[in-house]
Amino acid sequence: SAVISQKPSRDICQRGTSLTIQCQVDSQVTMMFWYRQQPGQSLTLIATANQGSEATYESGFVIDKFPISRPNLTFSTLTVSNMSPEDSSIYLCSVGAGGMNEQFFGPGTRLTVL
Amino acid sequence: GIQVEQSPPDLILQEGANSTLRCNFSDSVNNLQWFHQNPWGQLINLFYIPSGTKQNGRLSATTVATERYSLLYISSSQTTDSGVYFCAAQGSGGSNYKLTFGKGTLLTVNP
Repeated sequence: SAVISQKPSRDICQRGTSLTIQCQVDSQVTMMFWYRQQPGQSLTLIATANQGSEATYESGFVIDKFPISRPNLTFSTLTVSNMSPEDSSIYLCSVGAGGMNEQFFGPGTRLTVL
Repeated sequence: GIQVEQSPPDLILQEGANSTLRCNFSDSVNNLQWFHQNPWGQLINLFYIPSGTKQNGRLSATTVATERYSLLYISSSQTTDSGVYFCAAQGSGGSNYKLTFGKGTLLTVNP
C-alpha cells in the first residue's frame, strides 16, 4: 500500500484566516480524495482531486471555500478558506490502490478554529 | 447514493470477550472496507472485502453481497482494540469512486 503523509498534523487557527493542508504520496496514484470528519461524526467526502483538471466537489462543498490543487500524481493540497469554528474537524486525504477500489488514508490534519 | 448503516452504535466489552459488528448497505457494491480509527484519529485499514470471508489474526470479516451486509468479528478482545470501527462502501452504479461511511461503532474494551 502507498505511504501517505499530511502536513500539518494539527493546527489552531483564528477565524477568518485560511489554512492549506498538504498530502504527499510515495508513489504515483491516479486519484486522490479529501474527506472531512467533524467532531464525533463520520467521514464525508469533500472532493476528488483530479490531476490536470478541476476537482470534483460533492454536494454541500464549494471551490471558493475548499480550493484544491493537484499539480502531479503524488501531491495535492486542500485549503480551508475564511475559517469559522464550524470548520474545526479532522481533514484526511486518501488514495486508491489495486485498481482504485481499495482506499488508504493519510494520518489526518486536526484543525481547531477559534 | 448508497446508504450505509452500522450497528450497534456503542459496545462495551470486558477484555477477552468476542464481538460482532454489523454493516448494512443499500445497494450493490464495488468496494466494502472496514477501518479502525485510533485515538489519534488515524484510519487503519482492516479489510477490503466486497464479498467473501477474510481473516487477519483475531479479526475476521464476512460480506454477503447478495444480502447487502458485512460482519466484522473480533475475538479475544484486548484494550488496544478500543476505538471507532467504520464500515465504508462504494456503490457499483455510476463512475465515481466515492466511499460512503457508516456512522461507526464505538468499541470500549475494559481490562
